Amino acid sequence: KQEVTQIPAALSVPEGENLVLNCSFTDSAIYNLQWFRQDPGKGLTSLLLIQSSQREQTSGRLNASLDKSSGRSTLYIAASQPGDSATYLCALSLSGSARQLTFGSGTQLTVLP
Amino acid sequence: NAGVMQNPRHLVRRRGQEARLRCSPVKGHSHVYWYRQLPEEGLKFMVYLQKENIIDESGMPKERFSAEFPKEGPSILRIQQVVRGDSAAYFCASSRQGSGYNSPLHFGNGTRLTVT
Repeated sequence: KQEVTQIPAALSVPEGENLVLNCSFTDSAIYNLQWFRQDPGKGLTSLLLIQSSQREQTSGRLNASLDKSSGRSTLYIAASQPGDSATYLCALSLSGSARQLTFGSGTQLTVLP
Repeated sequence: NAGVMQNPRHLVRRRGQEARLRCSPVKGHSHVYWYRQLPEEGLKFMVYLQKENIIDESGMPKERFSAEFPKEGPSILRIQQVVRGDSAAYFCASSRQGSGYNSPLHFGNGTRLTVT
């Protein structure tokens, strides 16, 4: 059974700092990995999707990496801003059940002005 | 350019009543997924539907819960005889393509069900 762990559960940083969020998983037979952002009382916004054959994806100040052999993904946020404050979730789909996402419990990020 | 629309946003039901949650996918999307987020827990997959078909319901409780996605109209998640443990946020997602593709899922803002 796939388990997805996100550490730390909460993170507080001053504005402007670069930061890394971590996601680890137990089953390397993944189809793809997505990073989402969830704001309080809102739904999930897809940030980046990395296919199993890829090692990283970039969008603006965000960079996500994937290392299947070590069961890890990281989300790098450059020059953090207060508007980045949210809960960040990583989610995996396994080969064979590509639409059933397994989510981590998230990292709650607070960027202090 | 509407995204996934869920209603109601908040739903309060007394124990034993029925809850009906509606989800309209992104226009042109024929694949719908329901996830549940219990308090202090991560999102858990419940069911995956394509128009008029249930593709995968492995995450849905066998009793009291049902889902449909008719040819016309929104997808409906129905919970009969609700209990306090059903209190959660229920999220719907949609995609244009189904299994075997890498297009991301688009999520709605969720329905927050409270059972009193």
